[in-house]
Amino acid sequence: GNSVTQMEGPVTLSEEAFLTINCTYTATGYPSLFWYVQYPGEGLQLLLKATKADDKGSNKGFEATYRKETTSFHLEKGSVQVSDSAVYFCALIKAAGNKLTFGGGTRVLVKP
Amino acid sequence: SQTIHQWPATLVQPVGSPLSLECTVEGTSNPNLYWYRQAAGRGLQLLFYSVGIGQISSEVPQNLSASRPQDRQFILSSKKLLLSDSGFYLCAWTLWRSEAFFGQGTRLTVV
Repeated sequence: GNSVTQMEGPVTLSEEAFLTINCTYTATGYPSLFWYVQYPGEGLQLLLKATKADDKGSNKGFEATYRKETTSFHLEKGSVQVSDSAVYFCALIKAAGNKLTFGGGTRVLVKP
Repeated sequence: SQTIHQWPATLVQPVGSPLSLECTVEGTSNPNLYWYRQAAGRGLQLLFYSVGIGQISSEVPQNLSASRPQDRQFILSSKKLLLSDSGFYLCAWTLWRSEAFFGQGTRLTVV
């Protein structure tokens, strides 16, 4: 079946540091890939997405590139802020399916 | 535009009591609907998903059930809650291959 694996947290950074959260997936075909962010006490919000190989999703300074050859979708941000402290989820949905599969989430804490 | 409503936002229920959480979607037709549970500090566990009225797929055997009586309504139920049912419940919808949109969640505490 489909699966998504992302690095375990928590990841603790200082403000303006570079952030990378690794995400790899297992799925047949060409799934669509997503990153979601969850702020404390809230639901999930879509951060960015990519629907085909080599697509780059970007939003709010975050970027992730759909790498078919390494089945990866790593999230990066060049300079984090305290407001980026949240839990980040990598997810996929298959082309021919309806089940949305999430990774385990990575908690990020940015200190001033 | 599409919106998703989930209620209540918080709920405290005694062990053995029934549960009903409701989720409705506006502004779209025939969405795929999902119920997830998130235990404290943990990831998302898919409980149920539905591709149409009356069509429910269960991912985890447990004392919860789901129903979809109308196209844009998804209900999570239990006849008798357990302590282990405590958590943050999230409803979501998608269209084919699209991103999911989430409700604000229901924090359930079983006491």
